[in-house]
Amino acid sequence: KQEVTQIPAALSVPEGENLVLNCSFTDSAIYNLQWFRQDPGKGLTSLLLIQSSQREQTSGRLNASLDKSSGRSTLYIAASQPGDSATYLCAVIPIKAAGNKLTFGGGTRVLVKP
Amino acid sequence: DGGITQSPKYLFRKEGQNVTLSCEQNLNHDAMYWYRQDPGQGLRLIYYSQIVNDFQKGDIAEGYSVSREKKESFPLTVTSAQKNPTAFYLCASGGQGMNTEAFFGQGTRLTVV
Repeated sequence: KQEVTQIPAALSVPEGENLVLNCSFTDSAIYNLQWFRQDPGKGLTSLLLIQSSQREQTSGRLNASLDKSSGRSTLYIAASQPGDSATYLCAVIPIKAAGNKLTFGGGTRVLVKP
Repeated sequence: DGGITQSPKYLFRKEGQNVTLSCEQNLNHDAMYWYRQDPGQGLRLIYYSQIVNDFQKGDIAEGYSVSREKKESFPLTVTSAQKNPTAFYLCASGGQGMNTEAFFGQGTRLTVV
C-alpha cells in the first residue's frame, strides 16, 4: 500500500529565507504527484502538478522536483513571505489505485516570520 | 468562474439526524471525490465516483452515502450511523486521464450539537 510522508510536520523560518519542503512515498509506481496549499479553515489550492515523466515543475517562486527512483519530491519556495504561511500537502496517484485516487501526506505547517 | 462549490460552509447536526453536504463542479470533470479531514489525521477518502450513476467506497465509507445523478453534482449524506461526524469535509474533482490535476472545494465544517 502506498504511503506518503512529509517531514517535518512544522517549520518556522524568517522572511526572505528559502523554504524547502519534503515529501516521500513508498511505491515509485505513480501517475503523478501534486502539491497543495491549505490555509486554516479553507480548502486545498493546487500549486503544482508533476507528471511521472517529469523531473520538475516551476511556477513563479515555486519549484517542485520529482525523483521517482528514490520516492522523493521537494517543493522549493524562494524568498519566503509571511503570506506563504500555510500548510503544504503533497499527494500522489498510485498506478495501482482505481479511480485516480490521491494518497496524501500529513502535511507540513509553515510559519514565515516577518 | 470554473471551480468547485461546496455548501454550506458550516453545518450543525443534532444527534440522530441525517445531513447532506452539497458539492457542485463546472469543470466538466468525470471524477469526483469526498474526503474527511480531522486534526492530526490528514485527508481520508470517503467515496468517489468516476462516472455518472456509479460510485465506490473509499477507506472510511461507513455511515456515509452518496449519489451521482448528474455529472456536475456529488452530494454526501452523513447518516445517523456515523458515530463521530464532526470534521471538515472536502470535495474534489479531476479528469479521467492519469495526468489530470485535482481541484478542491472550500470545504464544509460539520459539527454535532
